[in-house]
Amino acid sequence: DIQMTQSPSSLSASVGDRVTITCRASQGISNFLAWYQQKPGKAPNLLLYEASKLEAGVPSRFSGSGSGTDFTLTISSLQPEDFATYYCHQYYNTPPWTFGQGTKVVIK
Amino acid sequence: EVQLLETGGGLVQPGGSLRLSCEASGFTFSRHAMTWVRQAPGKGLEWVSFISGSSSTTYYADSVKGRFTISRDNSKNTVSLQMNSLRAEDTAIYYCAATDYYFDNWGQGTLVTVSS
Repeated sequence: DIQMTQSPSSLSASVGDRVTITCRASQGISNFLAWYQQKPGKAPNLLLYEASKLEAGVPSRFSGSGSGTDFTLTISSLQPEDFATYYCHQYYNTPPWTFGQGTKVVIK
Repeated sequence: EVQLLETGGGLVQPGGSLRLSCEASGFTFSRHAMTWVRQAPGKGLEWVSFISGSSSTTYYADSVKGRFTISRDNSKNTVSLQMNSLRAEDTAIYYCAATDYYFDNWGQGTLVTVSS
């Protein structure tokens, strides 16, 4: 199984900050990576797929990059509604589909 | 608008059974694979089971293999998860999701609590 490791597990940031979250796969997954945002009490919401493609309706301040084993999610200017938990997800070698452990973004 | 509505969660004793359902609308259901993902309280996301659009292919996480069965009825736009021999560690919110490799639409989830 492919293991996905996110860092950091949590971070504190202020509105307007640039935020970067990293996800590393235990083996190469090409660009078969998605990112989700989850707010408390809500279902996850797809932000990006194929590592860098923005899902329809997702603000352009979200961007993704990477290929192979190392990926990043960047929020260019953090907004109040962006405080949430973010998960990466590989769909290259399935089953199983596997997720990172999550990164919680909290208000500084 | 894509909508997925899960039902069937609740409190069940260890060793018991429960059947979850997910009713879909807003897309051509039979053309999409479907997945169940769960989230234990305060924990991350765990993939549970997958079924192809035609039901010809199913997969299960090792943690549920032999205990859970996924099925779908394309005439009713529903996917189900039959859960048997439930354990405390199955306690979680269970989400259904439409699957085109990644999971692009999710339901709101249904809570399953396994406790005596």
